[in-house]
Amino acid sequence: AQKVTQAQTEISVVEKEDVTLDCVYETRDTTYYLFWYKQPPSGELVFLIRRNSFDEQNEISGRYSWNFQKSTSSFNFTITASQVVDSAVYFCALRDTYNQGGKLIFGQGTELSVKP
Amino acid sequence: DSGVTQTPKHLITATGQRVTLRCSPRSGDLSVYWYQQSLDQGLQFLIQYYNGEERAKGNILERFSAQQFPDLHSELNLSSLELGDSALYFCASSVAGQGYNNEQFFGPGTRLTVL
Repeated sequence: AQKVTQAQTEISVVEKEDVTLDCVYETRDTTYYLFWYKQPPSGELVFLIRRNSFDEQNEISGRYSWNFQKSTSSFNFTITASQVVDSAVYFCALRDTYNQGGKLIFGQGTELSVKP
Repeated sequence: DSGVTQTPKHLITATGQRVTLRCSPRSGDLSVYWYQQSLDQGLQFLIQYYNGEERAKGNILERFSAQQFPDLHSELNLSSLELGDSALYFCASSVAGQGYNNEQFFGPGTRLTVL
């Protein structure tokens, strides 16, 4: 069965600190997709990134970077020089197999609080 | 703005009642997904439709049903409501039902409160 674990329930940092959000996944599929979503206090879910199982390149987008390691089944998310606007709940998600549609399996989320 | 619209934004109703949540996907998207977010269950997949047909089903209660119409908008019907159905209900859409180009873009959600 597929499962996503975000062990950090809450993280609190001071502005300008770097912070890493952990995500560990379980799947028996050889082809799968991993995602990160952000849920700010306003409540909407904002897509941040998709990573395919066959592409282990790390990615950087501005202050955001993602480290995908198949060997440890992890897909961690780092925010560099955090800002107050980064305060949100962040969800890691795994997409199901081809034969079962495209549903996302979400972790429990990590609530990030960035204090000024 | 993701391009996915959901109405209403808030809904307050009583136990035993029936409500309908509506979702319009992004232009060009054929797939619609429904998710429920509650404090105890987290974000859970309910059901997926692709071009009018049911594609996948998750932990959706028998009291809940959904459909996707020819214009691709979708409705989620919740009946015999219980206190535990209070949650934030998200609709998401994607271009395809499965496959590579399948980022799901979420609507703003409908917050349902059952009193």
